[in-house]
Amino acid sequence: QKEVEQDPGPLSVPEGAIVSLNCTYSNSAFQYFMWYRQYSRKGPELLMYTYSSGNKEDGRFTAQVDKSSKYISLFIRDSQPSDSATYLCAMRRAAGNKLTFGGGTRVLVKP
Amino acid sequence: GAVVSQHPSWVICKSGTSVKIECRSLDFQATTMFWYRQFPKQSLMLMATSNEGSKATYEQGVEKDKFLINHASLTLSTLTVTSAHPEDSSFYICSAREPGATYNEQFFGPGTRLTVL
Repeated sequence: QKEVEQDPGPLSVPEGAIVSLNCTYSNSAFQYFMWYRQYSRKGPELLMYTYSSGNKEDGRFTAQVDKSSKYISLFIRDSQPSDSATYLCAMRRAAGNKLTFGGGTRVLVKP
Repeated sequence: GAVVSQHPSWVICKSGTSVKIECRSLDFQATTMFWYRQFPKQSLMLMATSNEGSKATYEQGVEKDKFLINHASLTLSTLTVTSAHPEDSSFYICSAREPGATYNEQFFGPGTRLTVL
């Protein structure tokens, strides 16, 4: 079983809709949770990160962490065609530098 | 944000040859750089952590003699795939961390696609 599970998609939504992404994980030692966006044939770009449980909002993006359920989410409001990409979740323990990534969810926002 | 470049962006080589991939931090000094491998439709897997002026730390299962990492300066790390074989074909991505930044804030390069014939 993978440490971090993420539905590969693709997730297809109409422009303007809310995109809902999530990851589940098995290692309770993870304390930091990150979301990356990766366009085709490009490196990942950090969108936001959160520490422990709770919500964090940045513009159209909202990240949620529920450590009791080992479940994290990313919501994208007012989605645009330019949001079409693969979204990767990543996690890290409090100590150490290793990021453990989910497999990524491909998102398609249709005009 | 900080910019990380990689060169080449893609390379095709014959089986048995060695390939060097460069990772540069363009507008900051990176004391720590990371090398990842990403197979098609799969996630990024950390291969090794590279600290300037010291030996790289390899993840379990990664052959250090096959994947040679050198971090000779604060802006450059290189990954050399020695005696490459078709199973080494993959997308190799580096990332870099600014001094004082958390390990959450890694800036990724655009990646290098390696195809071994």
